[in-house]
Amino acid sequence: DVKVTQSSRYLVKRTGEKVFLECVQDMDHENMFWYRQDPGLGLRLIYFSYDVKMKEKGDIPEGYSVSREKKERFSLILESASTNQTSMYLCASRPTGFYGYTFGSGTRLTVV
Amino acid sequence: QQQVKQSPQSLIVQKGGISIINCAYENTAFDYFPWYQQFPGKGPALLIAIRPDVSEKKEGRFTISFNKSAKQFSLHIMDSQPGDSATYFCAARSNDYKLSFGAGTTVTVRA
Repeated sequence: DVKVTQSSRYLVKRTGEKVFLECVQDMDHENMFWYRQDPGLGLRLIYFSYDVKMKEKGDIPEGYSVSREKKERFSLILESASTNQTSMYLCASRPTGFYGYTFGSGTRLTVV
Repeated sequence: QQQVKQSPQSLIVQKGGISIINCAYENTAFDYFPWYQQFPGKGPALLIAIRPDVSEKKEGRFTISFNKSAKQFSLHIMDSQPGDSATYFCAARSNDYKLSFGAGTTVTVRA
């Protein structure tokens, strides 16, 4: 069964900390995405990557960066966490030319 | 600003009833319209999808109706079951292969 694995289900971090959210997929997909999910706002795209070492800004990239050094791993980085980044973060992957995304189970981040 | 507007925010339906969720969009470049289902503690999972050259698609108890001229599409859940209780997201794919999601609808099916 194909899988997208997010390393942490729950994280609590302090304001100003540098935070790393990790995502690994075992499907050899070229495309990977980071979304944040907030009540009433749905899923909003933060960053995505079409290939190793490639990254593109999504709709809400401010305060975030990403890293993709290997095809299977896509990391989301909060350079200096703030309370308004408290959210559910979802990673997804998709093979090139295919429509469907496979999502991970999410990381619920609380910044205090 | 949300590119895909979804309503209602939540709905409650009796077991055996019909759940209807509506979505609207403005971008005529969207070329693929999936629906995702999300259970608590899980990521969204693809439920059903439609292309704009088709007006209706049915998979089991789930049906998408698509109105290209009105730029609207909807999900109908027939004979709703308690196991259908979940959050449903509509989405639309742009020509750069990114998905834009609606705000989500929480469906509660009462036994």
